[in-house]
Amino acid sequence: EDQVTQSPEALRLQEGESSSLNCSYTVSGLRGLFWYRQDPGKGPEFLFTLYSAGEEKEKERLKATLTKKESFLHITAPKPEDSATYLCAVYNDYKLSFGAGTTVTVRA
Amino acid sequence: DAGVTQSPTHLIKTRGQHVTLRCSPISGHKSVSWYQQVLGQGPQFIFQYYEKEERGRGNFPDRFSARQFPNYSSELNVNALLLGDSALYLCASSFPRGTEAFFGQGTRLTVV
Repeated sequence: EDQVTQSPEALRLQEGESSSLNCSYTVSGLRGLFWYRQDPGKGPEFLFTLYSAGEEKEKERLKATLTKKESFLHITAPKPEDSATYLCAVYNDYKLSFGAGTTVTVRA
Repeated sequence: DAGVTQSPTHLIKTRGQHVTLRCSPISGHKSVSWYQQVLGQGPQFIFQYYEKEERGRGNFPDRFSARQFPNYSSELNVNALLLGDSALYLCASSFPRGTEAFFGQGTRLTVV
């Protein structure tokens, strides 16, 4: 069965303090790795899809990378508005399997 | 363009009752999936429908059922509600397999 593990569970950053979130996965036949941002009480907001090892994608202060066993979400010079829970998921056949998420808090 | 829309946004039900949740996908999307998210956890897959046919089902009891209509909207039905069914229910739509899935704002179900 597909497994996704995210670390750390929570991350407290000072504004401007760059950091990385980790997503390790075990899946038979990866068809895509997804990153989502989720604000409290709302649905996940799509950020990136990565399909193959070595692929990288960027959006504003966020950059996602993928290897054969894990993915990283790098947050560069974060701002308070980057505070959210970041979810990682793998796509296999017909469903997304999610990790539990990393809750990021950025203090001004 | 409208995103994925879900209704209602909040719902309170009593144990043993039945509930119907509704989802309208993004225009042009033919695939709809349902997920359950309990507080502090990632979403868990319940169903996927494509072209009105069930294409996948997660590890949920038969009390959970769903269907997709000709206009690609979908309903999730839960019978004999339990306290443990309290969660945020999410609908996602996408083009056929392997592409980005976009989520609605969810329906917060509270069972008392």
